[in-house]
Amino acid sequence: KNEVEQSPQNLTAQEGEFITINCSYSVGISALHWLQQHPGGGIVSLFMLSSGKKKHGRLIATINIQEKHSSLHITASHPRDSAVYICAVLGTGNQFYFGTGTSLTVIP
Amino acid sequence: DSGVTQTPKHLITATGQRVTLRCSPRSGDLSVYWYQQSLDQGLQFLIQYYNGEERAKGNILERFSAQQFPDLHSELNLSSLELGDSALYFCASSAPKRAAGAGELFFGEGSRLTVL
Repeated sequence: KNEVEQSPQNLTAQEGEFITINCSYSVGISALHWLQQHPGGGIVSLFMLSSGKKKHGRLIATINIQEKHSSLHITASHPRDSAVYICAVLGTGNQFYFGTGTSLTVIP
Repeated sequence: DSGVTQTPKHLITATGQRVTLRCSPRSGDLSVYWYQQSLDQGLQFLIQYYNGEERAKGNILERFSAQQFPDLHSELNLSSLELGDSALYFCASSAPKRAAGAGELFFGEGSRLTVL
């Protein structure tokens, strides 16, 4: 049983395209994190959300607590956005649950 | 640079051995989280410490243990190593908005363990 489901698993886009990655979860949460992992392995936290919407540069993250769903949007995608994007939820018991990740490739 | 330091970066050892991974959190962060990332299971939460106390436990095997010291650095001890323990082990720290609660995560670069 997967507490966090991400889609799509793989995504290829042309540079400049608008990209959406979806995350659905089945547990009660304190917060939801969007993480970025580049080849080579390092992980960077992009957003932490508990409600509403956040924007940072070309990245936008939204969460709908009632529907248990979050989306990560990338506007005007660029090859440097190529990475694996991981949805992670912090459950109300302080446990983390991770999605399997979305591998994004942006082609020039 | 996240401010979180993990050592060693790479470690190769044999089955049955024991290793210790070290994590120094960002200055001022009280929470330390340990995660395992393997090819077949993705990222998994192992354990969280907050200000020296164990706060939450995930999929941590009995052969693994961790602690957080008074200076807030943390160590993850892996014993009786098996081939399947080969993975990237990440540490993250956070400065929670409330005690041990949700806060932005800052990840170390990870320790890559290879068990032969």
